[in-house]
Amino acid sequence: GAGVSQTPSNKVTEKGKYVELRCDPISGHTALYWYRQSLGQGPEFLIYFQGTGAADDSGLPNDRFFAVRPEGSVSTLKIQRTERGDSAVYLCASSDRAWRGNEAFFGQGTRLTVV
Amino acid sequence: GQQLNQSPQSMFIQEGEDVSMNCTSSSIFNTWLWYKQDPREGPVLLIALYKAGELTSNGRLTAQFGITRKDSFLNISASIPSDVGIYFCAGSDSWGKLQFGAGTQVVVTP
Repeated sequence: GAGVSQTPSNKVTEKGKYVELRCDPISGHTALYWYRQSLGQGPEFLIYFQGTGAADDSGLPNDRFFAVRPEGSVSTLKIQRTERGDSAVYLCASSDRAWRGNEAFFGQGTRLTVV
Repeated sequence: GQQLNQSPQSMFIQEGEDVSMNCTSSSIFNTWLWYKQDPREGPVLLIALYKAGELTSNGRLTAQFGITRKDSFLNISASIPSDVGIYFCAGSDSWGKLQFGAGTQVVVTP
């Protein structure tokens, strides 16, 4: 498809487990963003990639969170030793800053539930 | 995390009425964006604003980038049932990093 794709759409995991969330951006988009959205709130920034490098990871809440984008396209958000407070919707967005300025297009999100 | 101040928090309106919501910030942004989010979906971009004072329309939607670059509003004219959803404002820095408001829940009754 032409949009941002995130997998899985839902993930239930036990406290303490490791999870990986995947994002396929729009083809050709060089900028990729991860956000986290808690119930009743707006999305909150986690990390931004320009190409393969993390240009800004100031939103990652602690060192249990890590993200990679090794080939400048697909990105994976990794969460170690999950806690119940990590439960949220994790959103990925991409943009082609060369054409659309700062406009970002979002995927449908991965709903993570830690039990 | 810090968010923009978006109001109102919710609106219950009748079909055909106009809707207005706004967003303010203590920080200056170089881009303001408005998104709509349906349940279990990601936010969908409605309007992007790039210049202070800019007024932009998209169908029945009109949005303005405040002259101080610290605020924006969104108007929806002649609301219809499919306008129901949560509307988010977002301010963007130079790198496209977005700071969101808490959202305005719009409910449209026939």
